[in-house]
Amino acid sequence: AQSVTQLGSHVSVSEGALVLLRCNYSSSVPPYLFWYVQYPNQGLQLLLKYTTGATLVKGINGFEAEFKKSETSFHLTKPSAHMSDAAEYFCAVRQPGANNLFFGTGTRLTVIP
Amino acid sequence: DAGVIQSPRHEVTEMGQEVTLRCKPISGHNSLFWYRQTMMRGLELLIYFNNNVPIDDSGMPEDRFSAKMPNASFSTLKIQPSEPRDSAVYFCASSLRDSSGNTIYFGEGSWLTVV
Repeated sequence: AQSVTQLGSHVSVSEGALVLLRCNYSSSVPPYLFWYVQYPNQGLQLLLKYTTGATLVKGINGFEAEFKKSETSFHLTKPSAHMSDAAEYFCAVRQPGANNLFFGTGTRLTVIP
Repeated sequence: DAGVIQSPRHEVTEMGQEVTLRCKPISGHNSLFWYRQTMMRGLELLIYFNNNVPIDDSGMPEDRFSAKMPNASFSTLKIQPSEPRDSAVYFCASSLRDSSGNTIYFGEGSWLTVV
């Protein structure tokens, strides 16, 4: 069985501050991990993903995430928040060989001017 | 490049009516997914297809829901009869099934309101 837990359904940061969105997973085997972003009234867009290799993954819009197997975590960070980062962010997990993605419940990021 | 195309983008219908949502996956992709997003339950997988064949429909909530994929470039999700609790955003997504952590690409969604 696999699952994803996103701590904090809402996160607020000031413009220019560090963004940290937390994701922990549960999986019987090392999974593939994904972060998606959803802007208002739009579909989901891939930010970044981890499959194998380097555990620090860089994505679009200055975001990055680090796979930490010992902590079963895949937290998303960005050094400096921009107003345009306001959106909902979803962490997702997939087992190798499987086809489906299991999503977390999402974290809504608000950026305060 | 065209992404996943869904229609209609918005639909308002009366309870009891039939609703058909349509999806055109990205050309060359061989897996197609239907997800539903609601405030209460978040993103739920309803059904997915590999090579036009339904693989897992365990997420389909009731017999009122059905999905078909008659060819590699088209899929439908049908609700008959519709009920107010079916109001949600329905996303179609597609991917190229391989072993390398392939990305699932989402459409813009069909926003359904049943009154």
